[in-house]
Amino acid sequence: NAGVTQTPKFQVLKTGQSMTLQCAQDMNHEYMSWYRQDPGMGLRLIHYSVGAGITDQGEVPNGYNVSRSTTEDFPLRLLSAAPSQTSVYFCASSPPAGGPDTQYFGPGTRLTVL
Amino acid sequence: AQSVAQPEDQVNVAEGNPLTVKCTYSVSGNPYLFWYVQYPNRGLQFLLKYITGDNLVKGSYGFEAEFNKSQTSFHLKKPSALVSDSALYFCAVRGFLNAGNNRKLIWGLGTSLAVNP
Repeated sequence: NAGVTQTPKFQVLKTGQSMTLQCAQDMNHEYMSWYRQDPGMGLRLIHYSVGAGITDQGEVPNGYNVSRSTTEDFPLRLLSAAPSQTSVYFCASSPPAGGPDTQYFGPGTRLTVL
Repeated sequence: AQSVAQPEDQVNVAEGNPLTVKCTYSVSGNPYLFWYVQYPNRGLQFLLKYITGDNLVKGSYGFEAEFNKSQTSFHLKKPSALVSDSALYFCAVRGFLNAGNNRKLIWGLGTSLAVNP
């Protein structure tokens, strides 16, 4: 199993550009989530999904969209990038639909917005 | 209020000595508690969890954690530290997102562990 994969690993955007961060898992996990990690602020939940076709907002959803058309994929879209979105983004998955329980993390995407 | 506190930003320990990374929590009901480790430029990796049962939980890489309900603590421990244990350690507790029944993990800010040779 590849586990949780994320692409790209690094990305530089200009203010106002849009992009999609990809996340995929091959463990048939129902619960998936996106976090951002910033110095001194720990991990903050952006969006999450409890199964295909079901998504919901986390703590810091503004400026981001998600969709979950399949169990495997959970892309995160930045609609109009801002410097405040410079961060490291982690995707995670967890087996129970009621999640989260033990979470499996991807390697992260380091995003810089100029 | 739901929260996790890791009171030490950094812990330094000599190789071979025991280590403790502290965590206290605040959440209603019975807590589900977790420890994760993050190596440089990597994602977080699950170490261990407490849901119920024995207060001493054993996990990966020789780590263990002790749940103390009266002190609302879940400290991570290892009897003999290795240089390779140097990493960032996160404690988390399962809580509720907003006012609904949807759950989330509430994360501490992390403790940087440095094991010196």
